[in-house]
Amino acid sequence: AQSVAQPEDQVNVAEGNPLTVKCTYSVSGNPYLFWYVQYPNRGLQFLLKYITGDNLVKGSYGFEAEFNKSQTSFHLKKPSALVSDSALYFCAVRDTFANDYKLSFGAGTTVTVRA
Amino acid sequence: ETGVTQSPTHLIKTRGQQVTLRCSSQSGHNTVSWYQQALGQGPQFIFQYYREEENGRGNFPPRFSGLQFPNYSSELNVNALELDDSALYLCASSLGPTSGSRADTQYFGPGTRLTVL
Repeated sequence: AQSVAQPEDQVNVAEGNPLTVKCTYSVSGNPYLFWYVQYPNRGLQFLLKYITGDNLVKGSYGFEAEFNKSQTSFHLKKPSALVSDSALYFCAVRDTFANDYKLSFGAGTTVTVRA
Repeated sequence: ETGVTQSPTHLIKTRGQQVTLRCSSQSGHNTVSWYQQALGQGPQFIFQYYREEENGRGNFPPRFSGLQFPNYSSELNVNALELDDSALYLCASSLGPTSGSRADTQYFGPGTRLTVL
């Protein structure tokens, strides 16, 4: 079975400050990990993914994520947040041992960046 | 924006009715996955279609069914609608199994908001 937990429902930061959105995962095999962002009344927009290799993954719009196998975590980070980063963020996992190709998502974290 | 489109944007139905949602995949993608996103929750996997055949199914009852057409577009059909079926339905397209990797990125459409009264 594969699952994701996003321990924070909401994250509030001031513009220009670092932003971190937390994610932990559980899989039987090895994980493929993804981050998506959702703006109001919109679908999910892909930010970045971890497959293998370098634990620090860089993605769109200045976002990056760090894979930590020992802590089973994949936290999303941005060094300097913008007001336009305010949105709903989802972490997702796919188990390399799974027979299907589904993604399992966390419940989401609402990020609010104040000016 | 991805090249994934969905129709209609919004839909209102009454309990017991049937609904069909449509999805056009991104050019070059042969796999379509459907997800249900209830209010305040993350997307839940319904099923996936690869080359017109179901390629995995989540924990949804048989009244949720689908089709994929030769051009890789897809339909989600829900029969005997229940109030709890009210949700945002998301379609995602990807390269699928032929890419040789489960690391394929799924690209999502804007979704269809279904309200069941």
